[in-house]
Amino acid sequence: GAGVSQSPSNKVTEKGKDVELRCDPISGHTALYWYRQRLGQGLEFLIYFQGNSAPDKSGLPSDRFSAERTGESVSTLTIQRTQQEDSAVYLCASSLGTGGSTEAFFGQGTRLTVV
Amino acid sequence: AQRVTQPEKLLSVFKGAPVELKCNYSYSGSPELFWYVQYSRQRLQLLLRHISRESIKGFTADLNKGETSFHLKKPFAQEEDSAMYYCALLYNFNKFYFGSGTKLNVKP
Repeated sequence: GAGVSQSPSNKVTEKGKDVELRCDPISGHTALYWYRQRLGQGLEFLIYFQGNSAPDKSGLPSDRFSAERTGESVSTLTIQRTQQEDSAVYLCASSLGTGGSTEAFFGQGTRLTVV
Repeated sequence: AQRVTQPEKLLSVFKGAPVELKCNYSYSGSPELFWYVQYSRQRLQLLLRHISRESIKGFTADLNKGETSFHLKKPFAQEEDSAMYYCALLYNFNKFYFGSGTKLNVKP
């Protein structure tokens, strides 16, 4: 695809339900990031994938959050037993992840509302 | 360790006034730094990178290795500059670190 694609664009879920958010990075990009952006706030780092290396999960706020990535393609962010404080826009970004000048490209985000 | 610091969460200026958005970084290597912008209801996008030494929409940013800073400047702010601005560091050529962002509000 031409850019980073995220689905769904919007998700409304009931408190306590599990949700799965999807990110399709730019083809060939080995690095993939997930961020959370609460209303009117800045980026909160969640997790970073780089090729086949172990992901950097240091930003995941609790064990209800997990993410997977299949090779160097699609990634899914799963939030179990959602809480109202999980309501936010979840952003995915990808980059070449190798030496040389590069740029991070962002998806349009998934707006999650927990009711 | 926080690698990118943006000390101001919110910066309000009047139209036509100069703007400086502060960014400090922590990195012992040769840094590659960027500014990203997020306009209302749009996705985050690259504004400029220091290696290009370019001016985009009147914005410039100079890398100061002595002060480990990469402040974003514009001599005359416009209302359409109102947005969220993020400073970013590319670490070891393969991992981006983003600051927490500064919301710029340009008042008419």
